[in-house]
Amino acid sequence: DAGVIQSPRHEVTEMGQEVTLRCKPISGHDYLFWYRQTMMRGLELLIYFNNNVPIDDSGMPEDRFSAKMPNASFSTLKIQPSEPRDSAVYFCASTDTSYEQYFGPGTRLTVT
Amino acid sequence: AQSVAQPEDQVNVAEGNPLTVKCTYSVSGNPYLFWYVQYPNRGLQFLLKYITGDNLVKGSYGFEAEFNKSQTSFHLKKPSALVSDSALYFCAVRDNSGYSTLTFGKGTMLLVSP
Repeated sequence: DAGVIQSPRHEVTEMGQEVTLRCKPISGHDYLFWYRQTMMRGLELLIYFNNNVPIDDSGMPEDRFSAKMPNASFSTLKIQPSEPRDSAVYFCASTDTSYEQYFGPGTRLTVT
Repeated sequence: AQSVAQPEDQVNVAEGNPLTVKCTYSVSGNPYLFWYVQYPNRGLQFLLKYITGDNLVKGSYGFEAEFNKSQTSFHLKKPSALVSDSALYFCAVRDNSGYSTLTFGKGTMLLVSP
């Protein structure tokens, strides 16, 4: 298996623009997680899905953030409009019943 | 709610010496504990886990961790450090609510000098 796949790996955009981050989980994993990592706040859980259904989005910072999982092999995290304080590394992770999560390589987002 | 504490922001050790990265946890019920490593510009990689059984858990790259229930600790150890072990290490505890969420510590930077 190729592991968790994220795209793009790097994204540079201007404030106010829409940003879409993509994730393909490991085949057969029924949980998918979106995290954000910054120096100031560390690793934060934004939202997670079980069997494509959002379970808890309490970590989503504000309404500018949204996430979808239209099928078992694809998820998106969208920021609209983007702001400089959204600059961070965004990780996607997936797991099955073995408990450990498998992380993608991350998307480094820079909003200018 | 569960929590994880990594009391050291950074650990410095010379190559060849033993290393310990500390972690304490708080969770209701039986703990499921994990260690992850993050190399620069990479995602987190799973190292090892404790679910049940032997208190000494062995994982990838020669790392091991000791579960101590009375001290609520799960310290990461390696008998002989390598320069290539230099990375950011995260301890995590699983939520016992029924979903597979993990609560992560803030991370400890391990620096191994030649």
